[in-house]
Amino acid sequence: AQSVTQLDSQVPVFEEAPVELRCNYSSSVSVYLFWYVQYPNQGLQLLLKYLSGSTLVKGINGFEAEFNKSQTSFHLRKPSVHISDTAEYFCAAYKLSFGAGTTVTVRA
Amino acid sequence: KAGVTQTPRYLIKTRGQQVTLSCSPISGHRSVSWYQQTPGQGLQFLFEYFSETQRNKGNFPGRFSGRQFSNSRSEMNVSTLELGDSALYLCASSLEYPGAGMNTEAFFGQGTRLTVV
Repeated sequence: AQSVTQLDSQVPVFEEAPVELRCNYSSSVSVYLFWYVQYPNQGLQLLLKYLSGSTLVKGINGFEAEFNKSQTSFHLRKPSVHISDTAEYFCAAYKLSFGAGTTVTVRA
Repeated sequence: KAGVTQTPRYLIKTRGQQVTLSCSPISGHRSVSWYQQTPGQGLQFLFEYFSETQRNKGNFPGRFSGRQFSNSRSEMNVSTLELGDSALYLCASSLEYPGAGMNTEAFFGQGTRLTVV
């Protein structure tokens, strides 16, 4: 079965600084990877997805992720965060396996 | 186009009772998945339905069950509620069943917050 590990449970960051959220996946099956964001009291919203093709995936709100097969990683990055990026972020292998989540807190 | 609708948004139940949660997927979506979200366990997959058939099931006790209707609406039921069942229950819908076309995305509802007292 697929499994996903998010390496950071909490990431504090200052506004306009870059952020990277780390995600590793098990390589046992075909890889379809997703990043979702959850704002307080909301459901999950898709940020981006990797199905095949280019290993650099661009998503909404300025986020991007790089699929690295040799390191079995799918890290999420944003070059400059805003206060509104404060949320919980989930890495997922298709729909069945989610990471534990990374809480990003952006401070002024 | 309306999104995924979950009802009710909030629910308080007593231990031992049962509860039914409802999910209306996006129009045209035939796959519905359910998740339990708790602070300690994160997001855990409960089950997935496609065309009224359960396709996948997570590692939850038999007290958790679900079904899907011909219009793709889905319900999940939890019987004999325990305090540990307090959680946010999320439903997600997608256009196709995994494997039939992987270029698909799961759209989530806002969830039902269940509190068991």
